[in-house]
Amino acid sequence: GAVVSQHPSRVICKSGTSVKIECRSLDFQATTMFWYRQFPKKSLMLMATSNEGSKATYEQGVEKDKFLINHASLTLSTLTVTSAHPEDSSFYICSARDPLAGEIDTQYFGPGTRLTVL
Amino acid sequence: GQNIDQPTEMTATEGAIVQINCTYQTSGFNGLFWYQQHAGEAPTFLSYNVLDGLEEKGRFSSFLSRSKGYSYLLLKELQMKDSASYLCATMDSNYQLIWGAGTKLIIKP
Repeated sequence: GAVVSQHPSRVICKSGTSVKIECRSLDFQATTMFWYRQFPKKSLMLMATSNEGSKATYEQGVEKDKFLINHASLTLSTLTVTSAHPEDSSFYICSARDPLAGEIDTQYFGPGTRLTVL
Repeated sequence: GQNIDQPTEMTATEGAIVQINCTYQTSGFNGLFWYQQHAGEAPTFLSYNVLDGLEEKGRFSSFLSRSKGYSYLLLKELQMKDSASYLCATMDSNYQLIWGAGTKLIIKP
C-alpha cells in the first residue's frame, strides 16, 4: 500500500527557534497533502491543505505566518513552525492523497512528529 | 516488520450491528486508536485501548487483545450517518503511529 513518511519523528527545541517537519509520499505522487495537529486522545485537527505548486489553504484560526507550508514537489511537503513556543508542543501528522487511488478521498497518513518546545 | 490489516470495505443495514476487525504487528505497543473519517473531513477520534478488554462508549465499543494483536470496533444500532471510513492505528514503542488503510463502511436502508 501507499506509504507516507515524516521526518523527524521526534524533535525537542528551545522556545523561539524554528522547526521544519517533512512529509514524503514514498511510492506515489501526491498533488494534495494535509497537515494535522493532534492533542492526546483527541480528534485530528486539520491545520492546512497543501497543494503542489500553489499556496496552502489554512483552516480558520491557524496562523499562516507561524505555520509555514511548502509543497515544492509531488512527493514532499514541509511544515515549518516558526518562533516555536511551549504551546506549540504537539503531535503533528501529515497525510497525502493519491490521485490515482480508486477512492478520490483516500488519504494515507504519516507516522507523526512529536514536537516538544522547552 | 510493522503491519496493520483491516477489511477494505463492509456493508451493513441500518439498525443492525457491525464489527470491524483490525490485526496488527508492531515494534512495541503503546495503544490502539480507532478513528472515523467522513469523506472530505478530518478523522474523528473514537477510542483508545491500551489494556485488554472491551471499552464501551454509547453505540460504539472497542475491544483489544494484546496477546493476539487484535482489536475490533463494534457499532450498534447503525445509522445512515455511520457511513464512513474507520481507521485503525497503533502507536509503537517510539510513539509513532502505524495506520491501517481504513475500512469503508456502507450503510444501507
